[in-house]
Amino acid sequence: GENVEQHPSTLSVQEGDSAVIKCTYSDSASNYFPWYKQELGKRPQLIIDIRSNVGEKKDQRIAVTLNKTAKHFSLHITETQPEDSAVYFCAASPGAGSYQLTFGKGTKLSVIP
Amino acid sequence: DVKVTQSSRYLVKRTGEKVFLECVQDMDHENMFWYRQDPGLGLRLIYFSYDVKMKEKGDIPEGYSVSREKKERFSLILESASTNQTSMYLCASSPVPGNYGYTFGSGTRLTVV
Repeated sequence: GENVEQHPSTLSVQEGDSAVIKCTYSDSASNYFPWYKQELGKRPQLIIDIRSNVGEKKDQRIAVTLNKTAKHFSLHITETQPEDSAVYFCAASPGAGSYQLTFGKGTKLSVIP
Repeated sequence: DVKVTQSSRYLVKRTGEKVFLECVQDMDHENMFWYRQDPGLGLRLIYFSYDVKMKEKGDIPEGYSVSREKKERFSLILESASTNQTSMYLCASSPVPGNYGYTFGSGTRLTVV
């Protein structure tokens, strides 16, 4: 089955700096890669996703890049703010009629004011 | 605005009890999923369902079963609760066709004593 590795497990940045979280996946057939943000005590929420036919996607201060050849994808957050502090999860879906997601273990991002 | 509802936020059960965790979604989604979330292990898939009365094992189905008698409801059953099933349980749903991000419930924190 699919295996998703996520790094780093914790990340601290100064407010205003950029943060990058990286994930690798094992199944070359995977075609959908969402990112979730989970604030303390709350449910995970989808913040951005990318499909295998796209190399990069941006939404304001967040962006995701995908390298299918290397089987890795990354989340980039620019101009970080304290409210960006949360646990971030990457995930991959095998596609081909399969809708379940395999998640990475998560990255705890702390933005220091 | 809540679209995926889990019946209990916190639950304390005794070892050996039969436990039911309920999840209801009002978005007419075909796909429903049960994950457990543990520190350092991320989200792990227990069971999923793509249709009424359909169920498939995820990565860690041992000790669990599920029921989906209606499209909007997906129940997770712990046949005989054990202390190693103490965890946060998250229900999620997603639509078809195509891959779309999950909508998660708020989670049920189950403690087995």
